[in-house]
Amino acid sequence: QKEVEQDPGPLSVPEGAIVSLNCTYSNSAFQYFMWYRQYSRKGPELLMYTYSSGNKEDGRFTAQVDKSSKYISLFIRDSQPSDSATYLCAARRASGGSYIPTFGRGTSLIVHP
Amino acid sequence: DARVTQTPRHKVTEMGQEVTMRCQPILGHNTVFWYRQTMMQGLELLAYFRNRAPLDDSGMPKDRFSAEMPDATLATLKIQPSEPRDSAVYFCASEWMNTEAFFGQGTRLTVV
Repeated sequence: QKEVEQDPGPLSVPEGAIVSLNCTYSNSAFQYFMWYRQYSRKGPELLMYTYSSGNKEDGRFTAQVDKSSKYISLFIRDSQPSDSATYLCAARRASGGSYIPTFGRGTSLIVHP
Repeated sequence: DARVTQTPRHKVTEMGQEVTMRCQPILGHNTVFWYRQTMMQGLELLAYFRNRAPLDDSGMPKDRFSAEMPDATLATLKIQPSEPRDSAVYFCASEWMNTEAFFGQGTRLTVV
């Protein structure tokens, strides 16, 4: 079992919909949580970075972390076709003085016009 | 503009051949990660370096994979001998002190 679990999808929604992407994690040592977006044949790029339980908002994106239930969410409001990509959740834990990112498998999102 | 550069972008090779992938991290970044991405497993950490020193390579098959950082501007990942199950996209990422990890475009490896 992977330390960070994520439903691979695909998740298909109409333009303008609210999208909810979710991950669970098993290791209590994870302290920081991230969402990356990866377009086809590109490298992942950071969307959101959060250190604690609660919500963090950035434009149309909201990241939510619940450490008590080990649950990570990303909400996308007013979804656009340009949001079609794979979304990877990640968590960092301390290891040898560094905080190593561990990734979920990613959820493929398709926003159709 | 600062970015992580990986070469080659694509590599097709025959089973048993040696494969070397290269990564130029962003100037000033002191941490370099190597990840492998497959449909089944997603992104898996193979190895990482801080200040050019290898800190963890437990994710790599030691008998065939090796990772080095001969200088601050170059990280290499070598597979010898390559096998069809090594077919994947290999990503390098760099960062400064546990901040944002910036990924390269990846090397798509096919071993036939």
